Amino acid sequence: ILNVEQSPQSLHVQEGDSTNFTCSFPSSNFYALHWYRWETAKSPEALFVMTLNGDEKKKGRISATLNTKEGYSYLYIKGSQPEDSATYLCAAHGSSNTGKLIFGQGTTLQVKP
Amino acid sequence: DARVTQTPRHKVTEMGQEVTMRCQPILGHNTVFWYRQTMMQGLELLAYFRNRAPLDDSGMPKDRFSAEMPDATLATLKIQPSEPRDSAVYFCASGSGTSLPGELFFGEGSRLTVL
Repeated sequence: ILNVEQSPQSLHVQEGDSTNFTCSFPSSNFYALHWYRWETAKSPEALFVMTLNGDEKKKGRISATLNTKEGYSYLYIKGSQPEDSATYLCAAHGSSNTGKLIFGQGTTLQVKP
Repeated sequence: DARVTQTPRHKVTEMGQEVTMRCQPILGHNTVFWYRQTMMQGLELLAYFRNRAPLDDSGMPKDRFSAEMPDATLATLKIQPSEPRDSAVYFCASGSGTSLPGELFFGEGSRLTVL
């Protein structure tokens, strides 16, 4: 069973703060790790898809790293802005042929002006 | 602007009624996922299709739920009979990939309320 866990569950920061959250997944049977951003009343939107150990991806002020050997990924937001307030979901693919994508519970970020 | 289209956006029905939710994936995408948003489990995977073939529906209550993909432009999720505990937002997402999908594109969801 592919179990994906995220921490913390929620986070409140001040505008300008940098923050990071964690996604943990089984290091065996790993194929790919996704990060999505989910704003209230909208649909999840993809941020990153990563497959290689040591991968690091960046989109504006948001970046992510991947460690497949120990089974975790970090998402970093530099200089948080109120518009970054959202739930950030990670999801992992196992390496089986079914390829189902299992989501973690998400980290809800609130950035106060 | 390619997007995943889900209908209906909102559905209120009474317990015992049949509910059908539809999803039109992005043209050319070969994978379709159905997820249910719940308070307890976040995005819960219900079913997954690749090239219209069902690959995994282990997360779906088989006695009342069924998922099909009659053609490449339509995926359906049916609940019969519906129960109040089925009330949730149901998301469809599509992706493309030769073996495993890349990023998923989500529809806007179908909010179901069963009274």
